[in-house]
Amino acid sequence: KQEVTQIPAALSVPEGENLVLNCSFTDSAIYNLQWFRQDPGKGLTSLLLIQSSQREQTSGRLNASLDKSSGRSTLYIAASQPGDSATYLCAALGGSSNTGKLIFGQGTTLQVKP
Amino acid sequence: DVKVTQSSRYLVKRTGEKVFLECVQDMDHENMFWYRQDPGLGLRLIYFSYDVKMKEKGDIPEGYSVSREKKERFSLILESASTNQTSMYLCASSFPGWGGYTFGSGTRLTVV
Repeated sequence: KQEVTQIPAALSVPEGENLVLNCSFTDSAIYNLQWFRQDPGKGLTSLLLIQSSQREQTSGRLNASLDKSSGRSTLYIAASQPGDSATYLCAALGGSSNTGKLIFGQGTTLQVKP
Repeated sequence: DVKVTQSSRYLVKRTGEKVFLECVQDMDHENMFWYRQDPGLGLRLIYFSYDVKMKEKGDIPEGYSVSREKKERFSLILESASTNQTSMYLCASSFPGWGGYTFGSGTRLTVV
C-alpha cells in the first residue's frame, strides 16, 4: 500500500530564504506526483504536476523534482515571501492508470516571517 | 477559468439529518472524488467515480453514499449525520490517466 510522507511537518524561515520541502513515497510505481498549496480553511490549489517520465517541473519561483527510483520528490521555493505561508501537500497517483487515486502526505506547514 | 464548485462553504446540520453535499465541475472530467480532511489525519478518500452512474468506495465510505447522474455533478450524501462527521469535505475531479486533480474550495460541515 502506497504511503506518502512529508518532512518536516512545520517550517519557519525568514523572508528571502530559499527552502526545500521533502516528500517520500513507498511504491515507485506511480503515474504522477502533484504538489498542492492549502491556505487555512480553504481548498487545495495545484502548484505543479510531474509525470512519471519527467524529472522536474518549474513554475515561477517553484521547482519540483521527482526521483522515482529513490521514492522522493522535493519542492524548491526560491526567495521565499510572507505570502508563501501555507500548508504544502504532495500527493502520488498510483493504481490503475484510468481509475488511479491520489495518496496524500500529511503536509508541511510553512511560515515565512517578514 | 476551469472550476470545481462546491455548493456550500459552511454548513451546520443536526444529528440524524440527511445531508447532501454537491460538487459540479466544468472541465468535462471523467473522474470525480470526495475527500474529508481532519487535523492529524490528513486527506482521506471517501468515494470516487470514474464515469456516470459508476462509484467506488474509498478508504472511509461508512456512513456515506454518493450519486453521479450526470458527468459534471457528484453528490456526497450523509444518510444520518453524526457528530463524528464534522469535518472539511473536499471534492476533486480529473481526467483518467496522468492528468492532475483540480479541487473545489471545500465545505466545512458541522454536525451538532
